[in-house]
Amino acid sequence: QKEVEQDPGPLSVPEGAIVSLNCTYSNSAFQYFMWYRQYSRKGPELLMYTYSSGNKEDGRFTAQVDKSSKYISLFIRDSQPSDSATYLCAMGFYKLSFGAGTTVTVRA
Amino acid sequence: KAGVTQTPRYLIKTRGQQVTLSCSPISGHRSVSWYQQTPGQGLQFLFEYFSETQRNKGNFPGRFSGRQFSNSRSEMNVSTLELGDSALYLCASRPTGSYEQYFGPGTRLTVT
Repeated sequence: QKEVEQDPGPLSVPEGAIVSLNCTYSNSAFQYFMWYRQYSRKGPELLMYTYSSGNKEDGRFTAQVDKSSKYISLFIRDSQPSDSATYLCAMGFYKLSFGAGTTVTVRA
Repeated sequence: KAGVTQTPRYLIKTRGQQVTLSCSPISGHRSVSWYQQTPGQGLQFLFEYFSETQRNKGNFPGRFSGRQFSNSRSEMNVSTLELGDSALYLCASRPTGSYEQYFGPGTRLTVT
């Protein structure tokens, strides 16, 4: 079993829809959680960084962490075609463990 | 502030050769980590350097090595290249006292 599980999708939504992404993890020692966006043939771009359980909002993005369930989520409101990318969850300390990434397509 | 830079961006090598990749972190960041990204295995941690010392290492063979210089720039070396080493090699830097990592564009290595 992988340390971090993420449904690879693909996920296709119409423009303006809410995109919901999630990851589960098995290592209860994980304290820091991140979401990255990666466009084709580019490096991952940090979107959200959270430490504690609860919600964190940044513009159209909301990250949720539920440590008791070992479950994290990312919501993208009012999705745009430019949001089409692969979204990766990551967690850990110095060494990050990544999910497989979910490929999202937002249809205009 | 400039982001993480990596050189070269693309590289083609022959099996058995060795290769050196370079990474310059964000100014002020002293921690540099390296990751390998492949379609089959995803993103996997190689190692982390802080103040010229390797602090953490992933589960890769000894053919993968690295170093960090006093200006925080880092290099990664892969010796005796194998076809399976074809991947996107990503470098990430981290500000001291925080755990978020910022990635560079990567070096795409193809081994033929």
